[in-house]
Parts: sequence; structure tokens; C-alpha cells
Amino acid sequence: DTAVSQTPKYLVTQMGNDKSIKCEQNLGHDTMYWYKQDSKKFLKIMFSYNNKELIINETVPNRFSPKSPDKAHLNLHINSLELGDSAVYFCASSQFSGTETQYFGPGTRLLVL
Amino acid sequence: AQSVTQLDSQVPVFEEAPVELRCNYSSSVSVYLFWYVQYPNQGLQLLLKYLSGSTLVESINGFEAEFNKSQTSFHLRKPSVHISDTAEYFCAVTPGGYNKLIFGAGTRLAVHP
Repeated sequence: DTAVSQTPKYLVTQMGNDKSIKCEQNLGHDTMYWYKQDSKKFLKIMFSYNNKELIINETVPNRFSPKSPDKAHLNLHINSLELGDSAVYFCASSQFSGTETQYFGPGTRLLVL
Repeated sequence: AQSVTQLDSQVPVFEEAPVELRCNYSSSVSVYLFWYVQYPNQGLQLLLKYLSGSTLVESINGFEAEFNKSQTSFHLRKPSVHISDTAEYFCAVTPGGYNKLIFGAGTRLAVHP
């Protein structure tokens, strides 16, 4: 059983398109996250949801809109894709606490042409 | 604000040799410390973490890290590496009670036969 799953695994699209990435966790956690890993492998948090409520929103362009329909799902919609959005996007989940281990999904590799 | 510095971007080492991956952090509040590992084309997995108590923490696969408050460091060590340890290693902190991971830039450990 996959603990944190993401779809799709790969996404190749043209500039200006809109795309979505889905994430699901079956660990019973109450907090989910989106991280972006750039081409130099640098990882940065984008968003975090706790019990479907947005609790962390780093300085991310408005073109990125997360949605959490329930505690087990966190989706990321990206409007008007730009070349600089090309990256690997990781979903993660944990219980709500700075001490808790975050469990990461396998990543979605987005390439914007 | 918090920041994490991983002093080596790449560490090449021969199989069965010891290795140390260095990590320093900066924070005006207390932090929890983590090491995550990313194998090629995979998500991140927790290797070990320091929350409180003994400053030396160990993982199940032979890695250990020591928290040094005066030097604000959390270096990762292994006395004898295997080819299978080849991966990207990320040091991270969560500031106080907040559950967002702040990552260093990563260290690529390359183990050669």
C-alpha cells in the first residue's frame, strides 16, 4: 500500500496551459504539504493544510492554487504555466506538529515547454 | 528566520570508508533537526531526527548524527558506507512548534567501489 501517492508522475505541457496534480495519503494524517524541488535539487515548502484549512502559504504566485477536499487529499492546480514552473513537486503528510516525521510522495516531474 | 547550510554539495567516497556530511543551521528560536535521504528518482525518506534528550541520534541503517547546540550543527556520519548509500541527503529544521521543513541545499553522496 502506497502511503502518499501522486498523479501524474510525469507532466509535459506547453507554456500558458493549466494543469493539476493530485495527492492522496492513507496514513490518517491531518496535515498535508506541497514542496517544490528545482533543477538544483533545492526544496522549498509552498503550502500546508491542516484539517482542510490552509495554514502555510509561502510566497507562491497566485497562479498556484491548492485545494483540500478532505484530510486525505491535497491537489495543486497551476494556471498559465511558465517555463520557470518546471520542477519536481512533492506532496507530503504528517500529524500536525513540528516534531512529526513528514512522509513524502514519489514526486511529479513537471516540464513546461 | 531560519536557514540551513550544508557545507558540501558533493561528497565522493570509496565503499567501506567513513563519511561525514556537514550541516549548520541558524535560528533565533529553538528548532527540531532532521536528516532526509532521497534515492534517485524517488521521494524523500526520514533518516533520523533530533527532538530533545541525547544529542546523538542513530538510524536503523548505521547513520548517526550529533546535535551540537554551541556550534549550531547537526552533522551526519557513517563509519562504513555501502554502494547503496549513494543518494542525496538533506538536512532540515522545523522552527519551534511550526511544522514546515526548511531544507538545506542537499549533499550528493557518491559511493564508489
